[in-house]
Amino acid sequence: GDSVTQMEGPVTLSEEAFLTINCTYTATGYPSLFWYVQYPGEGLQLLLKATKADDKGSNKGFEATYRKETTSFHLEKGSVQVSDSAVYFCALSGLRGGSNYKLTFGKGTLLTVNP
Amino acid sequence: EAEVAQSPRYKITEKSQAVAFWCDPISGHATLYWYRQILGQGPELLVQFQDESVVDDSQLPKDRFSAERLKGVDSTLKIQPAELGDSAMYLCASSLASTYNEQFFGPGTRLTVL
Repeated sequence: GDSVTQMEGPVTLSEEAFLTINCTYTATGYPSLFWYVQYPGEGLQLLLKATKADDKGSNKGFEATYRKETTSFHLEKGSVQVSDSAVYFCALSGLRGGSNYKLTFGKGTLLTVNP
Repeated sequence: EAEVAQSPRYKITEKSQAVAFWCDPISGHATLYWYRQILGQGPELLVQFQDESVVDDSQLPKDRFSAERLKGVDSTLKIQPAELGDSAMYLCASSLASTYNEQFFGPGTRLTVL
């Protein structure tokens, strides 16, 4: 079945540091890939997405490129801020039975950014 | 901006009691999902509705969990009786259709079973 493996945390960085959170996936067919962010005590918010190979999703300074050859979708940001402290989830959306999509999540990576 | 609404935000209950969570999806979204997120893990799908019909409840512990979406709009997830291992965040999400792969999440209900 589909699965997502992401870098284990926690990750602790200083403000303005470069961020990379690795994510690799296993899926049949051509899934869409997502990064979700969860701030303390809140639900998940979609951060960015990519729907086909070589697509680059970007939002709020974060970027991730859909790499089919390496089955990866690594999240990057050039200069993190304290407000980026949160848990980041990589997810894929694959077809499951007929035309229904199912989201499969990684375990999440906790990012803490210190001033 | 339209949002998925959930209530309550927090629920503390004792083992063997019944609890219920409510979700109101974004207007016009035909597909509704309930997820359980255990601390330190990613969300896992419990049940998926297309309008008022259950599409997938393969991971729903049916001996104690039930879910309904009677009019194809809002939904209720019930646990009876609650067990200690049910302590988790319960997330509701919706999408335009099951064939549309972007889901929008509510703020969740944090359940603590004592």
